[in-house]
Amino acid sequence: DVKVTQSSRYLVKRTGEKVFLECVQDMDHENMFWYRQDPGLGLRLIYFSYDVKMKEKGDIPEGYSVSREKKERFSLILESASTNQTSMYLCATQAPSGQETQYFGPGTRLLVL
Amino acid sequence: QQPVQSPQAVILREGEDAVINCSSSKALYSVHWYRQKHGEAPVFLMILLKGGEQKGHDKISASFNEKKQQSSLYLTASQLSYSGTYFCGTEMGASGTYKYIFGTGTRLKVLA
Repeated sequence: DVKVTQSSRYLVKRTGEKVFLECVQDMDHENMFWYRQDPGLGLRLIYFSYDVKMKEKGDIPEGYSVSREKKERFSLILESASTNQTSMYLCATQAPSGQETQYFGPGTRLLVL
Repeated sequence: QQPVQSPQAVILREGEDAVINCSSSKALYSVHWYRQKHGEAPVFLMILLKGGEQKGHDKISASFNEKKQQSSLYLTASQLSYSGTYFCGTEMGASGTYKYIFGTGTRLKVLA
């Protein structure tokens, strides 16, 4: 079974704090993704990575950065958290072909006060 | 650019049928369907590739019409366990590019 884990299920941070969300997978997948999910907006892609140290912006990268130093680990960084970044964050992995399914982690619900 | 799903929400009684549509303004190469239960991560249901294929799993099936750039998910004789939000995930773009985009989501509630 594919296992995708995220560092926290729930997180509460203050405005201006630097926030790290970590995602680890055990399937040796090249592709990893970070999404945020908000009511009525569905899943929106923040960043994705197709190899170690390779990253590309998704649809809503502003206010976020990512790091992929090892194949199994993909980190999402909120440089200076703001209240509009309160959301559910989901990490996913996928084998190289676009015809492969994405496997999701359990999600991190982030509240920025 | 995000594929539009319809309806946005649907309420069914156990045993009733439902159809969820996923429509794109861009060419699609494959469509994946996922179900997400409240408080949980999305779970893969099935994948459809080019060629107008249909697939089925138990009482859930789907079709993909690449010419119309749309896919439909069919839930027959719905069960309480079908409740959740359904997303289509689509691989789209021009030749040589790759983009994977999720649809807007459809919330489905099955009542006893």
